[in-house]
Amino acid sequence: GAVVSQHPSWVICKSGTSVKIECRSLDFQATTMFWYRQFPKQSLMLMATSNEGSKATYEQGVEKDKFLINHASLTLSTLTVTSAHPEDSSFYICSARELGGAYTEAFFGQGTRLTVV
Amino acid sequence: EDQVTQSPEALRLQEGESSSLNCSYTVSGLRGLFWYRQDPGKGPEFLFTLYSAGEEKEKERLKATLTKKESFLHITAPKPEDSATYLCAVQGRGSTLGRLYFGRGTQLTVWP
Repeated sequence: GAVVSQHPSWVICKSGTSVKIECRSLDFQATTMFWYRQFPKQSLMLMATSNEGSKATYEQGVEKDKFLINHASLTLSTLTVTSAHPEDSSFYICSARELGGAYTEAFFGQGTRLTVV
Repeated sequence: EDQVTQSPEALRLQEGESSSLNCSYTVSGLRGLFWYRQDPGKGPEFLFTLYSAGEEKEKERLKATLTKKESFLHITAPKPEDSATYLCAVQGRGSTLGRLYFGRGTQLTVWP
């Protein structure tokens, strides 16, 4: 299967600072990327969907000014958590799909454990 | 809206004890049903895609089947390394940009 690389795997930041998480598709073109948040022992909660070169579509209740998503190329999307607070601590996972391409399924990154202190 | 319900929430099996996980779905025009495995602290790992009722796919000790209303993930003679959370997801005809709708998962524990 295809590979999606997410970086960093974990990050600790101080309250009020911003953190950027990168998601790269290594061997296919990610026409669509998804960003999820996962709480302990719960399923994936979709935060936003992004198309390359377009603005992201955010799910209801997700603050677009707090969670900035950029999908500037067909292989890279970033999620920036701005002015992070302890309640933003969570496990963030990206997913990528190549609609109309060789792969029909979505592939996931390894996830990023964010801890805000 | 597309919906997915997985059962049971948790399942404990002894090594070698075969069983099945269930994924019931409601979708307008199924474009695909997907099974993933997720280990603690990791992103989901793709297992299978099923497209139409009657389709089956196998990989080692796992076999996925699909009907018009549900999918089963059969685990034959499981081993401790099969312990993980298994997630089911669907994509419907009306899915925006290929969005998947996920169930809450089944946490499988296989003990020696």
